[in-house]
Amino acid sequence: DAGITQSPRHKVTETGTPVTLRCHQTENHRYMYWYRQDPGHGLRLIHYSYGVKDTDKGEVSDGYSVSRSKTEDFLLTLESATSSQTSVYFCAIREQGNTEAFFGQGTRLTVV
Amino acid sequence: ELKVEQNPLFLSMQEGKNYTIYCNYSTTSDRLYWYRQDPGKSLESLFVLLSNGAVKQEGRLMASLDTKARLSTLHITAAVHDLSATYFCAVALISSGSARQLTFGSGTQLTVLP
Repeated sequence: DAGITQSPRHKVTETGTPVTLRCHQTENHRYMYWYRQDPGHGLRLIHYSYGVKDTDKGEVSDGYSVSRSKTEDFLLTLESATSSQTSVYFCAIREQGNTEAFFGQGTRLTVV
Repeated sequence: ELKVEQNPLFLSMQEGKNYTIYCNYSTTSDRLYWYRQDPGKSLESLFVLLSNGAVKQEGRLMASLDTKARLSTLHITAAVHDLSATYFCAVALISSGSARQLTFGSGTQLTVLP
């Protein structure tokens, strides 16, 4: 298994609170991605990173921010959580020059 | 905007039967992925197809790619219960820093019945 760890694995939070999800890799891969998975939508890209401090928006970036201060860590922050952000969040990594993308185990976030 | 459409979305099939899942996409791409997901689990990579006419097989699953038609298929031969899962196709587009964004289809939930 690719060395990807997402934390926390489960979280329940209240509307309006800030939330940070962490993706940690031990593979030293250049590219890291955050996706959300909702029924009927497959996975949708939130943000991605192509290097330390290099990030860009994906398809559904509104309400989310990211940071990558080290190669191994990619953080996803919900500044003020809303019920529409209840979802399963997956982190993925890919090595430069490699076609394969590997996914973490996911974080189930519930905003009440 | 890239759109990826899978069909069918739900598929129930008898053990031993054959069936095909289709994945259509709207923009030229040089990479197409197939993933499997079991309930409550992460995504497992099945195939990466890199060129027109590419065909890959693993066990009872065979994937193919027609870039001119913007169509990929995942063919299931002699289905067994263990193949029950949700299958996703995903299309890659180059973006910032040569990252490749994956756009996913909605998934096909396959149930293999005894």
